[in-house]
Amino acid sequence: EVQLVESGGGLVKPGGSLRLSCAASGFTFSNAWMNWVRQAPGKGLEWVGRVKSKSDAGTTDYAVPVKGRFTISRDDSENMLYLQMNSLQTEDTAVYYCTTETPPYSSPSSYFQHWGQGALVTVSS
Amino acid sequence: DIQMTQSPSSLSASVGDRVTITCRASQSISIYLNWYQQKPGKAPNLLIYAASSLQSGVPSRFSGSGSGTDFSLTIRSLQPEDFATYYCQQSYSFPKTFGPGTKVDIK
Repeated sequence: EVQLVESGGGLVKPGGSLRLSCAASGFTFSNAWMNWVRQAPGKGLEWVGRVKSKSDAGTTDYAVPVKGRFTISRDDSENMLYLQMNSLQTEDTAVYYCTTETPPYSSPSSYFQHWGQGALVTVSS
Repeated sequence: DIQMTQSPSSLSASVGDRVTITCRASQSISIYLNWYQQKPGKAPNLLIYAASSLQSGVPSRFSGSGSGTDFSLTIRSLQPEDFATYYCQQSYSFPKTFGPGTKVDIK
């Protein structure tokens, strides 16, 4: 059974930093393309960024609002995905979900198949 | 970026009703449209991918159709567990944007 478990959420002041983790199990993590999707309180879903598998150079892509502030990384030896968030702003307050992308290669017919339970990040003074 | 819109933003329906939600893309996305269901406090759950392909384990009362810019999600006979918010998402081009959601609640 695929499991994704996020951790590391919490309260942080504007301008601060936080690192989220996502522990993956039940699938071959090293082959997976992994994404972060967020949801502000009472709002819709917003794609944050993606990291491809190492066999695809581990390339990362980011949404415009977070580019230059957020960094996605992975540790395939530990089956872990990370989201390093710097220079946090109040508008970054959201539940952050890690998701798998299927298929794990460039395709217009991809979708977010498995989701974690989410980690709440609150940016407030 | 491709903009996604959904209508209605919310609807009230009864158990057993047939419900249709529409999603429109700001440009043609062929069939590359996915649908997710989200219940309060839970992660989204994939229902339909590539406009009309039913994800494994999803009840057959859910169906999707459309191509180009106009898509729809239909729930044939609404069940109590179907009261939720539904999101469309285009996978045609980067970034892969979501619609604003349609909340289905009990009449």
